[in-house]
Amino acid sequence: DQQVKQNSPSLSVQEGRISILNCDYTNSMFDYFLWYKKYPAEGPTFLISISSIKDKNEDGRFTVFLNKSAKHLSLHIVPSQPGDSAVYFCAASAYGGSQGNLIFGKGTKLSVKP
Amino acid sequence: EADIYQTPRYLVIGTGKKITLECSQTMGHDKMYWYQQDPGMELHLIHYSYGVNSTEKGDLSSESTVSRIRTEHFPLTLESARPSHTSQYLCASSEYGQGRQGNEQFFGPGTRLTVL
Repeated sequence: DQQVKQNSPSLSVQEGRISILNCDYTNSMFDYFLWYKKYPAEGPTFLISISSIKDKNEDGRFTVFLNKSAKHLSLHIVPSQPGDSAVYFCAASAYGGSQGNLIFGKGTKLSVKP
Repeated sequence: EADIYQTPRYLVIGTGKKITLECSQTMGHDKMYWYQQDPGMELHLIHYSYGVNSTEKGDLSSESTVSRIRTEHFPLTLESARPSHTSQYLCASSEYGQGRQGNEQFFGPGTRLTVL
């Protein structure tokens, strides 16, 4: 059973607009969440993270929102750029559970059109 | 900039061959990981290590084995490759015991393995 779910396999947005990528989780023990970006034939690169004690974390064009009651987080990219086109993975960990190993979602492929 | 390396980047090999995928990191990280990933699927943890002489199996059962004789080196071995082993293999590392920030994992570029 998937503990981290990214229900949209793909998303297409226009350059300059907002991209919103969603992630749901089922394990209430998760207390740390991360977003990774992956280009084809490369390894994932860390983008942004959020602790469960916060509901928002911002880094430049990237903002992650956490709604613990809904067990939902989202990544906002504003403004979207063609270089943002990649697969985005949501990941979660429970501190103390296997010492913080990450559980990944299946990813959402973002296409930003010029 | 993360310094974690994997070789080879691509490998095409016949059934029954023994292969070793190399992974090295220069960040002095204690914890290292191996993931397996297929297109459109999540990354599945197959092995991890807390440090030298430590190896643990991950969530996904794998016929591969790993060793950790040096902090910076975490090779993965398949004794007899099969077509079902065709996948992308990703190595990662992170600090351990450094608080919440230690959960950020840094990934290598991956090895795309094809077994004919």
